[in-house]
Amino acid sequence: QSALTQPRSVSGSPGQSVTISCTGTSSDVGGYNYVSWYQQHPGKAPKLIIYDVSKRPSGVPDRFSGSKSGNTASLTISGLQAEDETDYYCCSYAGTYPYVFGTGTKVTVL
Amino acid sequence: EVQLVESGGGLVKPGGSLRLSCAASGFTFSTYSMDWVRQAPGKGLEWVSSISSTSSYMFYADSVKGRFTISRDNAKNSLFLQMNSLRDEDTAVYYCARESSGANWYFDLWGRGTLVTVSS
Repeated sequence: QSALTQPRSVSGSPGQSVTISCTGTSSDVGGYNYVSWYQQHPGKAPKLIIYDVSKRPSGVPDRFSGSKSGNTASLTISGLQAEDETDYYCCSYAGTYPYVFGTGTKVTVL
Repeated sequence: EVQLVESGGGLVKPGGSLRLSCAASGFTFSTYSMDWVRQAPGKGLEWVSSISSTSSYMFYADSVKGRFTISRDNAKNSLFLQMNSLRDEDTAVYYCARESSGANWYFDLWGRGTLVTVSS
């Protein structure tokens, strides 16, 4: 049950794109197409922004996109906006447990 | 309104017990699996426990197995977490989360959380 590995922080200027990686193992990220991503503003509950690797819930802007290759999933934010500056967490189905979250990434808009 | 509201958090001494509750409204609670997820101060999210819609299956993180018990009352649209033998490292905001319906594995609805502080 080790946490998935994310970079502590990423940054970009407004309008640029940033990508957050989420690395696990063949028992979680690599074994299932059930990676989700959550955005969490300080003091608030997490909000689902991507599920099933690359699907967006209704209401989530299309500048948020997800992908996966092997044991690593990625979240890309295109056209970075000031309100995107916050924390992001990946999560994967892991079979027995059944969930494991990532270590979290802080996105900074320069 | 579709929502989850947690309650029951507070200050407790190491070795003590606490029972968290989560009140669901605005959706058919009895058809969803439910979970508890926690977040220690300044730290990341950690999955704690899951319970299936009919309480047939329950799962726990290794860090709480044998000390925490998840349960639900579908007639009262409520989810619970009984926490015993609490440790300093259990200090966290505890979130109630709904798993998406069907054979899906993600959380589509979260409560605002309740803070549990374990300290002497």
